[in-house]
Amino acid sequence: GDSVTQMEGPVTLSEEAFLTINCTYTATGYPSLFWYVQYPGEGLQLLLKATKADDKGSNKGFEATYRKETTSFHLEKGSVQVSDSAVYFCALNAGGTSYGKLTFGQGTILTVHP
Amino acid sequence: EAGVTQFPSHSVIEKGQTVTLRCDPISGHDNLYWYRRVMGKEIKFLLHFVKESKQDESGMPNNRFLAERTGGTYSTLKVQPAELEDSGVYFCASSQAGGYEQFFGPGTRLTVL
Repeated sequence: GDSVTQMEGPVTLSEEAFLTINCTYTATGYPSLFWYVQYPGEGLQLLLKATKADDKGSNKGFEATYRKETTSFHLEKGSVQVSDSAVYFCALNAGGTSYGKLTFGQGTILTVHP
Repeated sequence: EAGVTQFPSHSVIEKGQTVTLRCDPISGHDNLYWYRRVMGKEIKFLLHFVKESKQDESGMPNNRFLAERTGGTYSTLKVQPAELEDSGVYFCASSQAGGYEQFFGPGTRLTVL
């Protein structure tokens, strides 16, 4: 079945450090890929998406590129801020008959210190 | 515009009791989804409504879980009887007809003692 694997956390960085959170997936066909973020006390918010191979999703300084050859969708940010502290989830939607279903990774807790 | 709301935010019950969780989607969203996150693990899909119909309930763990969406507006998820392994955070999400972006509520944290 479909699955998503994220790097284990937690990840702790100093402000302005470079961030990478690895995400790889297993799916049949050509899924759409997403990164969601959950800030403390809030629901998940869509951070960025990519719907086909080589697409780059970007938002709020975060980027991720859909790499079909390595089945990966790693999240990167060049300079993190304290306000980026949150839980980050990689997810896929495989479409087909379960077109509404998101399959998530286990989440990565990011803490950024001043 | 109000977001997805869920009630209650927390629920603590004893094994064998019944609990009903409620989700109010964003007004006008035909699609409504339920997900669950057991402690420290991945968020897992439970089911998907399109209006009042169940489009996909492949993730429902067993027949102790019953989801309804009468009238195609709010939805309830009932667990009866609750077991210890049902503890976790239950998320609801909604999306527009034909829309890919799911908007999530803050979740209901369920603890079964």
